[in-house]
Amino acid sequence: GNSVTQMEGPVTLSEEAFLTINCTYTATGYPSLFWYVQYPGEGLQLLLKATKADDKGSNKGFEATYRKETTSFHLEKGSVQVSDSAVYFCALRRDNTDKLIFGTGTRLQVFP
Amino acid sequence: DAGITQSPRHKVTETGTPVTLRCHQTENHRYMYWYRQDPGHGLRLIHYSYGVKDTDKGEVSDGYSVSRSKTEDFLLTLESATSSQTSVYFCATSSGSTDTQYFGPGTRLTVL
Repeated sequence: GNSVTQMEGPVTLSEEAFLTINCTYTATGYPSLFWYVQYPGEGLQLLLKATKADDKGSNKGFEATYRKETTSFHLEKGSVQVSDSAVYFCALRRDNTDKLIFGTGTRLQVFP
Repeated sequence: DAGITQSPRHKVTETGTPVTLRCHQTENHRYMYWYRQDPGHGLRLIHYSYGVKDTDKGEVSDGYSVSRSKTEDFLLTLESATSSQTSVYFCATSSGSTDTQYFGPGTRLTVL
């Protein structure tokens, strides 16, 4: 079946450190891939997305590249800030459907 | 962001009582979704709607029903709440089947 696997958190970093949150997926066909972010007490917001292999999604200094050969969509940021502290969800949507399948989420904590 | 509100934002109820959660949107989006968020599971789709009076089941629909009598409102009903339905419930909307989903702020439901 279709699924998304994320690294377990929490991920704890100091401000200005490099961030990687791993995400791998299992899917038939050619899914679209997403990263959503959930700040404390809020709903999810789309952070970035990629719709085909080798596409790179980017937003707010975050990047993720759709790697079909490794079925991965790892989230990276070169220098995190305290304000990036949140829960990050990787998700996929199979081609020609509207259903999102989410990973379990990874909590990021950034300390000054 | 789409104007999505959820009510109530917090509710505590007892086992066996009926509960209705409301999602209201002002963006005239055709598609609406109900998810539940639980530790270790990420977000899971309960029910969704692709138009007025058109609804279908998601991954975890047992014990839930929905109704959509007008474009802007999508109601989620727990006919007889159980402790296993203690969760945070999120509504989402999208303008098209493969467009970005926008999330509401969530409702925290506790069933004692």
